[in-house]
Amino acid sequence: GQQLNQSPQSMFIQEGEDVSMNCTSSSIFNTWLWYKQEPGEGPVLLIALYKAGELTSNGRLTAQFGITRKDSFLNISASIPSDVGIYFCAGQTYGQNFVFGPGTRLSVLP
Amino acid sequence: EAQVTQNPRYLITVTGKKLTVTCSQNMNHEYMSWYRQDPGLGLRQIYYSMNVEVTDKGDVPEGYKVSRKEKRNFPLILESPSPNQTSLYFCASTPGQLNTEAFFGQGTRLTVV
Repeated sequence: GQQLNQSPQSMFIQEGEDVSMNCTSSSIFNTWLWYKQEPGEGPVLLIALYKAGELTSNGRLTAQFGITRKDSFLNISASIPSDVGIYFCAGQTYGQNFVFGPGTRLSVLP
Repeated sequence: EAQVTQNPRYLITVTGKKLTVTCSQNMNHEYMSWYRQDPGLGLRQIYYSMNVEVTDKGDVPEGYKVSRKEKRNFPLILESPSPNQTSLYFCASTPGQLNTEAFFGQGTRLTVV
């Protein structure tokens, strides 16, 4: 079946630094989503992308739908301690269920 | 407040003892699904339901059952739990299969010994 890869698996950064993570697939997707999961909680939707090349922001978060439709990127600027969590990408092809990536675990050091 | 409620939040059980994890949503959503989350594997879909009395297998359905007798509830049933079903389970609902605003419950951490 379809699979997503996320990179890096985990990252430790200093507060105030910018963060970049990506999600890749061997399949083409029509929708990309980025979720954040905080400890003890369910995933919460951060950004949704619907068109190849689309760049969308949500506060300090920016995500892009790759031109090839096989990847997506999430950037976080000026990280703060509450950015800690696991970030999941999810992709969907028309008529199919969403497929989730394995997640990128972000730790922010004060 | 729009929410998806799962119960229990934590459960420890023994192999073979039937259990049910409940899920309820108050948003009148048609589409509901169950996922399990395991380290390094992300969220894998167990079962989903597109509407009342309509359910289908996801990617990892073995050992699980579901039912959708009414729109708001979508219980997950483990008839004979085994240790490899130890995991973190999430219920989610969306207005429709292709709608992106998926709302997740807070999760149920299940340990089968």
